[in-house]
Amino acid sequence: AQSVTQLDSQVPVFEEAPVELRCNYSSSVSVYLFWYVQYPNQGLQLLLKYLSGSTLVKGINGFEAEFNKSQTSFHLRKPSVHISDTAEYFCAVSEGVRGGTSYGKLTFGQGTILTVHP
Amino acid sequence: DAGVTQSPTHLIKTRGQQVTLRCSPKSGHDTVSWYQQALGQGPQFIFQYYEEEERQRGNFPDRFSGHQFPNYSSELNVNALLLGDSALYLCASSLGLAHNEQFFGPGTRLTVL
Repeated sequence: AQSVTQLDSQVPVFEEAPVELRCNYSSSVSVYLFWYVQYPNQGLQLLLKYLSGSTLVKGINGFEAEFNKSQTSFHLRKPSVHISDTAEYFCAVSEGVRGGTSYGKLTFGQGTILTVHP
Repeated sequence: DAGVTQSPTHLIKTRGQQVTLRCSPKSGHDTVSWYQQALGQGPQFIFQYYEEEERQRGNFPDRFSGHQFPNYSSELNVNALLLGDSALYLCASSLGLAHNEQFFGPGTRLTVL
């Protein structure tokens, strides 16, 4: 069974500072990895996804993530954060099955609340 | 192009009652998944519908059931509500059963008293 661990429940950071949100996963098969952002009282918005190919994935709003298979990690980074990045961030995994197609079931981590201070 | 829509936005029920939540997928999408997000937790997968059939199911009791209509919209039904069912219920739509991006709706906040 797949599982996702987000290592930090809360990350406070000052505006324009860099940030890294950590995510580790476990799975017995190949995986597809995602980061979603959730603003207060809203649904989830996809930031970026890793399906295959380059292990460095660039997403929206200046975020990027690196897939590290040996360490089973998919950490999210941004070189300079803004006040508007304050939100909760979720790492999620979907398992690949035979033939390279998964069935889309997402397993989420517990979330990391990013708070950007002025 | 309308995204995923859900209704109602908020709902208050009492223990033992039944509730129906509705979801309309993003235009062009044919697959709907439902997730439960308890306060302070990540979303948990309930089930997924494709071609009007339940294709996958998470670890939820039979009190949770669903339906998909020919127009791809979907309903989530919960019977015999418990206090622990209080949560944000998220609907996500995608194209097919593959690992394509899932687009999430704003959710329905269910409170069980």
